Formats: sequence, C-alpha cells, structure tokens
Amino acid sequence: DAGVIQSPRHEVTEMGQEVTLRCKPISGHNSLFWYRQTMMRGLELLIYFNNNVPIDDSGMPEDRFSAKMPNASFSTLKIQPSEPRDSAVYFCASSPQGGGYTFGSGTRLTVV
Amino acid sequence: QKEVEQNSGPLSVPEGAIASLNCTYSDRGSQSFFWYRQYSGKSPELIMFIYSNGDKEDGRFTAQLNKASQYVSLLIRDSQPSDSATYLCAVRNGNTGKLIFGQGTTLQVKP
Repeated sequence: DAGVIQSPRHEVTEMGQEVTLRCKPISGHNSLFWYRQTMMRGLELLIYFNNNVPIDDSGMPEDRFSAKMPNASFSTLKIQPSEPRDSAVYFCASSPQGGGYTFGSGTRLTVV
Repeated sequence: QKEVEQNSGPLSVPEGAIASLNCTYSDRGSQSFFWYRQYSGKSPELIMFIYSNGDKEDGRFTAQLNKASQYVSLLIRDSQPSDSATYLCAVRNGNTGKLIFGQGTTLQVKP
C-alpha cells in the first residue's frame, strides 16, 4: 500500500495566483480530510468527505478555499486567489469508517 | 476553552526514563482517542488509540483514558533519543465524527 499520496510536496507561488493541492487516499478508506498546520494554530481541520460527499466544511477559512472529491481515489484543495497568510503545510488524511487517520506527506505552501 | 488541550512543553527526560504526556478534552461525548507522533518536517504518525477507560499497552507505550475526568495520557517507558518528537493528542467528536487535535507536546529525550 502506497499510503496517502499528496502532490506537490512543495509549492511556492506569488500572491494572487491560484494554487491546487492534490490527494490520493488509501484504497478502501471512505473518509478523507484536509488539514492545515502552522506553528501558531497547530493542525486545523479544513474539510472532510465521507464516501466522496463533503460533510463539514466549517473549517474552510474563506471563500477563497474550495475542495472537491470527484471520485473515491482523488481530491483537490484549491486556493484562489492565494495570500501570504495561506502559507502553511497542508495535509490530506484518509481513514476507514471510525478508524484512525493516515496522513500524507503534506504540501508545504509558500505564498510570496 | 480549547476542545483538546496539551502542554506544549518542551518536556525533557533523560534516556531510559519514563515520559508522561497528558491531554484533556472538553466534549464528554467523545468516544475515541488517539496519540500521534510527529517528527520535525514530517507528517503525523498514529502510534496508539484507546476507546475504553483504563490502560492499553503496546510495547513501550501505554495509553491511559479516564472519561470521568476527561483525561488521556501517554506513557513512554525506557525513553530513547529517537522518541524525541512532538506528540499530538486527538479526540474524535462524538457528534460530528471529526478528529480534533491538540497543539502537541514536544518531547526531548537526552542521552
């Protein structure tokens, strides 16, 4: 099992540009989560999906953030337009029903 | 009040000692509890989970849960320098099913 796969590993972009982060969950896991981690705020849950359906997006900071899960093996998190305060490590995680989460390696986003 | 609270540390222990990491949570409906380890620059890694009151042991690790006190702890016996990391307590919200993380405790094991 390759685990949760995220891409890219690092992203540096200019303020105002669109950023798309990608995630492939573990096969058979029916829940997928997007987290953001910063030194100040720790790990924050942005949105999560059950069986490809968004369940709770209350953690999405602003309308600039959007997430999709078109099928069981792929999800995206998009930021448009990006701002310097969006700089963080973004983690995707997946889990079986009620189980522990397995995290991907994360995407380190820097917005300059 | 934060939903999941941990002392940020750093907690420093000598090699071979027992490290004790603590966590409190606010939601009495929480049903499952997890400990993750995160090395600097890496992603969180699940090391223990516990659902019932009492102790659960796995190798050098013991998780302890007291639902009445809303308290979870992780004991690491015979601490090694390789245990030096940030330990994140996570609690699954009973209503939403969401996993809420504490800020993490940084553990330093000194040779």
